[in-house]
Amino acid sequence: NAGVMQNPRHLVRRRGQEARLRCSPMKGHSHVYWYRQLPEEGLKFMVYLQKENIIDESGMPKERFSAEFPKEGPSILRIQQVVRGDSAAYFCASSPMFTAGGQETQYFGPGTRLLVL
Amino acid sequence: DQQVKQNSPSLSVQEGRISILNCDYTNSMFDYFLWYKKYPAEGPTFLISISSIKDKNEDGRFTVFLNKSAKHLSLHIVPSQPGDSAVYFCAAKMEYGNKLVFGAGTILRVKS
Repeated sequence: NAGVMQNPRHLVRRRGQEARLRCSPMKGHSHVYWYRQLPEEGLKFMVYLQKENIIDESGMPKERFSAEFPKEGPSILRIQQVVRGDSAAYFCASSPMFTAGGQETQYFGPGTRLLVL
Repeated sequence: DQQVKQNSPSLSVQEGRISILNCDYTNSMFDYFLWYKKYPAEGPTFLISISSIKDKNEDGRFTVFLNKSAKHLSLHIVPSQPGDSAVYFCAAKMEYGNKLVFGAGTILRVKS
């Protein structure tokens, strides 16, 4: 399966705990994006990363949220001290290196459903 | 500040007929538009895209039309099939930008 992989698919945390969401991009893709979908809403951009670099984190909450894409291994979205409002579906997408015009398609993983009790 | 709008929360169509899903945008800097289909508990699946230099793109049963002057695009599915029942998201991207801006989605139900 050469698609975008995310794990875990479901994650339950109690308020104050940490949540770690993992994403492995499609083979040959070097760009990773994280989106969040709240109930009854569309997906909202959070962060865009390349290997070892955060390129655009304009959609990330200022506190408690961080993301990384190390040289080796998957991209990680970390949420510290989770609150009930963090309950959502978190989707990772990947795309190949940019071509002229920037019209790359982003391919999405199956998502991680986070539930904060 | 909703830059991409899908004003119809849901649409119901008979099998074999045409489904038309609409999307409006406000940011004239968007130049690349995509449609994704999403089943419950799954990630969005890419369907079709269109560049702002075109007004139509076709792929099998799916056709996307873009009206730049009206800042409007639509996805036509013909003929509609029960397996097309899903949530459809319109998304837009700026030239050389990286993030997709999504609409809220339209639930399509195709009745057999």
